[in-house]
Amino acid sequence: SQQGEEDPQALSIQEGENATMNCSYKTSINNLQWYRQNSGRGLVHLILIRSNEREKHSGRLRVTLDTSKKSSSLLITASRAADTASYFCATQGMLTFGGGTRLMVKP
Amino acid sequence: DTGVSQNPRHKITKRGQNVTFRCDPISEHNRLYWYRQTLGQGPEFLTYFQNEAQLEKSRLLSDRFSAERPKGSFSTLEIQRTEQGDSAMYLCASSSFQGRETQYFGPGTRLLVL
Repeated sequence: SQQGEEDPQALSIQEGENATMNCSYKTSINNLQWYRQNSGRGLVHLILIRSNEREKHSGRLRVTLDTSKKSSSLLITASRAADTASYFCATQGMLTFGGGTRLMVKP
Repeated sequence: DTGVSQNPRHKITKRGQNVTFRCDPISEHNRLYWYRQTLGQGPEFLTYFQNEAQLEKSRLLSDRFSAERPKGSFSTLEIQRTEQGDSAMYLCASSSFQGRETQYFGPGTRLLVL
């Protein structure tokens, strides 16, 4: 079974809006990572947050981590059409991925 | 450095045939990973190498699957006697010892077994 599970499974927004997706996991972690995958292509690493961190920023990305709830969220601000992709959270060294959130940003 | 490369990008084969995929990691990375991804799902871990040593294998890696990294550089993943259920995207990733948590993925090899 997959460690991380993203929610929602699909999200459609207008360009300029913010997009929030959530990830829940089952066991204790050292870190949690978010990846993006454009249609039919490889994954691109977005951001890593360690278990002792609560929030991290990178450009238009903001990630939070709540280890007590075993959950993380990824916020993309001021979305662009180019942000259209699937987003996955992953945990541990041999990355264990959830099923992903498919984000569509309409121009 | 052009990142992780994988060949071929696409492979169509008939059930029962053997196929081999190649992955060239980022040159200074000593860790190499193989994942499998089916449509609509996240990648699933298959196996992992540190240099030439295969250190971990998933239960997903049946005895029809074998992976090698003979010189600690490129790696091959072979599937023998392919089955239709093997149809998937096979992804390779690499990481350095220092930044080992961050994995850099190749574009994948999409396999279709007819």
